[in-house]
Amino acid sequence: AQSVTQPDIHITVSEGASLELRCNYSYGATPYLFWYVQSPGQGLQLLLKYFSGDTLVQGIKGFEAEFKRSQSSFNLRKPSVHWSDAAEYFCAVGPGGYNKLIFGAGTRLAVHP
Amino acid sequence: DAGVIQSPRHEVTEMGQEVTLRCKPISGHDYLFWYRQTMMRGLELLIYFNNNVPIDDSGMPEDRFSAKMPNASFSTLKIQPSEPRDSAVYFCASSQDAGTHPGAFFGQGTRLTVV
Repeated sequence: AQSVTQPDIHITVSEGASLELRCNYSYGATPYLFWYVQSPGQGLQLLLKYFSGDTLVQGIKGFEAEFKRSQSSFNLRKPSVHWSDAAEYFCAVGPGGYNKLIFGAGTRLAVHP
Repeated sequence: DAGVIQSPRHEVTEMGQEVTLRCKPISGHDYLFWYRQTMMRGLELLIYFNNNVPIDDSGMPEDRFSAKMPNASFSTLKIQPSEPRDSAVYFCASSQDAGTHPGAFFGQGTRLTVV
């Protein structure tokens, strides 16, 4: 069965520090992988996606993620966090050919000034 | 494009009442998804449509829930009768074919409170 695990429920970082949010997935074939961000009271915004090609993908707002098949991981990174990055981040997996997404439980990011 | 539009943004209703949530997908998108978000269960896919046809409704929790898509620009999710445990944020999302356009676009959600 397909599943997504985000091991960290809450993460707090200082503004300007680097960030890595972890995501592990379980899927029998090459998955489509996504990171979404949700600000309070808002919908989900697509940050980036991987479905083929280069395993390091760039997204919006300075985020990037790396697909590692051997580790079944798709971790999200940002070199320098801004206070406006405080939000909840969701990793999702979708079977190839469909956008029927399965989401992880989310990681809530707090940013200290 | 204005994105996926959901209405209302907030709904408070009494237990036993009928509730209808509405969604207008992005023009040209032929997939539409309804998700529910709760603290306990996170984001769950309830149902999705392709070209206005329901494809998978296995996530619909009970017969009290129903969804329709009468045309390419409108969908509804109805709960009748509503119960307090239905309180959640309901999201609508739309997308094109994942093979060429992976990723879905979400509306801002409807926060439903059943008292």
